[in-house]
Amino acid sequence: EDKVVQSPLSLVVHEGDTVTLNCSYEVTNFRSLLWYKQEKKAPTFLFMLTSSGIEKKSGRLSSILDKKELFSILNITATQTGDSAIYLCAVEALAAGNKLTFGGGTRVLVKP
Amino acid sequence: KAGVTQTPRYLIKTRGQQVTLSCSPISGHRSVSWYQQTPGQGLQFLFEYFSETQRNKGNFPGRFSGRQFSNSRSEMNVSTLELGDSALYLCASSFDPGQLYGYTFGSGTRLTVV
Repeated sequence: EDKVVQSPLSLVVHEGDTVTLNCSYEVTNFRSLLWYKQEKKAPTFLFMLTSSGIEKKSGRLSSILDKKELFSILNITATQTGDSAIYLCAVEALAAGNKLTFGGGTRVLVKP
Repeated sequence: KAGVTQTPRYLIKTRGQQVTLSCSPISGHRSVSWYQQTPGQGLQFLFEYFSETQRNKGNFPGRFSGRQFSNSRSEMNVSTLELGDSALYLCASSFDPGQLYGYTFGSGTRLTVV
């Protein structure tokens, strides 16, 4: 059975701090790993990673995948209060269609 | 363009009742997936529909069912509700299965079973 574990469960930082979120996975026939941000209800897409070692960046957020060690990290630099959310990691297996296996999420609270 | 629309937004039901939730995908999207989100289990895949056919199913009891209509709108039904069915039910849509760029979630239906 596919499995995704995120750490830490939650963290509290102050504005300007850098945050690193971890996601490890076990999946048969890995195809991609995705990161989502969930502020209230609808998770919103951040990154899709398919290749090892290639960093994806979007503003202050970046993410990288290590397919050998089966993990990914999501970094947020110069955090702002608007970054407060639950960050979800999910994996997709080949031929699984849109069936994603999600981790439990990391709750991030950024204090002013 | 309009996003994924889920109705109703909130629902309170009594144990033993049944409930039907609706999801209208983004225009042009043909694949619709459903997820259940609870504090204890996180986001768990329920099922996926494409071209009115169920393509994939998660590990949920038969009380959970769904369908898709010719206009790609989807409904899910939960019969004989249990307290543990209280959750946020999210649907997501994409053009086709396996096309996760553009895979968009709706805001969900919050179901409370009392």
